[in-house]
Amino acid sequence: DIQLTQSPSSLSASVGDRVTISCRASQDIGNYLVWFQQRPGEAPKSLIYAASTLQTGVSTKFSGSGSGTDFTLTISRLLPEDLATYYCLQYSFYPLTFGGGTKVEIK
Amino acid sequence: EVQLVESGGGLVQPGGSLRLSCGASGFTFSDHYIDWVRQAPGKGLEWVGRSRNKANNYSTQYAASVLGRFTIARDDSKNSLYLQMNSLKTEDTAVYYCTRGRQLGYWGRGTPVTVSS
Repeated sequence: DIQLTQSPSSLSASVGDRVTISCRASQDIGNYLVWFQQRPGEAPKSLIYAASTLQTGVSTKFSGSGSGTDFTLTISRLLPEDLATYYCLQYSFYPLTFGGGTKVEIK
Repeated sequence: EVQLVESGGGLVQPGGSLRLSCGASGFTFSDHYIDWVRQAPGKGLEWVGRSRNKANNYSTQYAASVLGRFTIARDDSKNSLYLQMNSLKTEDTAVYYCTRGRQLGYWGRGTPVTVSS
């Protein structure tokens, strides 16, 4: 199975900060990567698919980059509503696998 | 508007069975892959399985942890997907979500399943 390692596992940042989350795959997955946001008590929401394509209706402050084994999610200006856990998912190989999550807290 | 609504969750004893349903609206159901994903309390997300679309003969795929115990079926006439869960274990306790698309672009709100004696 493909292992996805997210780092950091948690972070605390101030409103207005730029935040970067990493997702590393155990083997080449091309650009078959999705980023999700899960706010407390809610279902996950897709932010970015194909590593860098913004999902319809998602704020442009979210951006994704990378291919192969190294991927990054960037939140350009952190707001209180961005308090959430962020997950990556690879859909290149079965079984589909998720990263362990990055919990983003607001200072 | 795309909508997915899960139902059928509840409390079941270890070794028991449960059938979850996922009702869909707002899109042509037979055109899309539909997956099940679960989340144990306080834990991360785990992919459970997939039903491919009509063009791919509705073939299915499962995670190793549920293979042989869980079965995915769909009824396009009812725009519904089902997850038949047998031989349930305590570690199957989770919120179960259905999702649409190869990239899991749309999610329902989930239905909770508790396996406990």
